[in-house]
Amino acid sequence: DQQVKQNSPSLSVQEGRISILNCDYTNSMFDYFLWYKKYPAEGPTFLISISSIKDKNEDGRFTVFLNKSAKHLSLHIVPSQPGDSAVYFCAACNFGNEKLTFGTGTRLTIIP
Amino acid sequence: KAGVTQTPRYLIKTRGQQVTLSCSPISGHRSVSWYQQTPGQGLQFLFEYFSETQRNKGNFPGRFSGRQFSNSRSEMNVSTLELGDSALYLCASRAQTGGGEKLFFGSGTQLSVL
Repeated sequence: DQQVKQNSPSLSVQEGRISILNCDYTNSMFDYFLWYKKYPAEGPTFLISISSIKDKNEDGRFTVFLNKSAKHLSLHIVPSQPGDSAVYFCAACNFGNEKLTFGTGTRLTIIP
Repeated sequence: KAGVTQTPRYLIKTRGQQVTLSCSPISGHRSVSWYQQTPGQGLQFLFEYFSETQRNKGNFPGRFSGRQFSNSRSEMNVSTLELGDSALYLCASRAQTGGGEKLFFGSGTQLSVL
């Protein structure tokens, strides 16, 4: 039972354009959402997060949008850079409960 | 400050064997979590230890176990290995409490079961 889903296993985007990565969840108890980035042979690193009391959070080139009614969140990267090529994982939890539920990941490739 | 260290980096075992993986958290971090990463399932939570006590547990069979020592180092053990246990096992540490932003991952142990 996959409670957090990333339906696109891969995505290719031209350098300088916008990258949009999507994530859906089914558990309405989740109230905190995070994105992690993972390079080959390295562990995931935290990128950006959003609480369910917000619908948008921005950090530099990265913006996360949350649509609670649709149980959907997305990560926007603008402009996309070659160094953004990585696997991106969406994760969810009940804030205060340290157990994270991850999606299956989306491999983003930025084309120079 | 040294990061989270996992050993060994790669491991090859055969079905039926057992394996022990090791994780040294960032100095001062008392919480250690373990995750299994497979291509089809993403990262799945195994368990979390805090001050030598298991605080949270995922939905894995009893063949998967762990422990944490007084210096916060943690080990994960898988007994009676199955082919489906082939995966990247990731360890993550954090100071005490806090959300996923404060979670730092190691590079993982790649386990292959033949």
